[in-house]
Amino acid sequence: GAVVSQHPSWVICKSGTSVKIECRSLDFQATTMFWYRQFPKQSLMLMATSNEGSKATYEQGVEKDKFLINHASLTLSTLTVTSAHPEDSSFYICSAHMGGPMNTEAFFGQGTRLTVV
Amino acid sequence: AQKVTQAQTEISVVEKEDVTLDCVYETRDTTYYLFWYKQPPSGELVFLIRRNSFDEQNEISGRYSWNFQKSTSSFNFTITASQVVDSAVYFCALRSYNTDKLIFGTGTRLQVFP
Repeated sequence: GAVVSQHPSWVICKSGTSVKIECRSLDFQATTMFWYRQFPKQSLMLMATSNEGSKATYEQGVEKDKFLINHASLTLSTLTVTSAHPEDSSFYICSAHMGGPMNTEAFFGQGTRLTVV
Repeated sequence: AQKVTQAQTEISVVEKEDVTLDCVYETRDTTYYLFWYKQPPSGELVFLIRRNSFDEQNEISGRYSWNFQKSTSSFNFTITASQVVDSAVYFCALRSYNTDKLIFGTGTRLQVFP
């Protein structure tokens, strides 16, 4: 299957700083990438849809100014958590799609565990 | 609206027992896809299976089997002769034909004890 690499796998940052998480599709071009957030022992909640070359589409309740998404190429999407606070501590995971109705699988990155202290 | 329900929050079994994880979904779409993913303690999501709405054939892959029944909107997952390595959180997910968005259930935490 296709490979999606997410970096870093874990990060600890101070409150008020910004953190950038990268999601790369290594062996295919991803027209669409998705960013999820998962709190401990909970399900994955979709945060936003990242489309190459255009603005991301955010789900209701997600602050677009706080969670900046950039999808500058067909193989890279980044999520920047700005002015991080302890309540932003969570597991963030991305997925990538090849696109098209026949490409129905989502390929997930390894996830990033963010701890804000 | 679309929804995926995994009523079982946690299941504990002893090795070699069979276990079934339930998944019930809601959608108004006639064409859709159903998925099962495994999330081990390390966190990554491991794809297990995709089933198209127009294909109700059950599937078996080694110790894993899936029972898709449109009449009851269920897509249940059975692990036969469970092993300790099967311990993980298992998510059922739904996707419509005309979108890439996955709707996840709340997950079932499976613990297999030796």
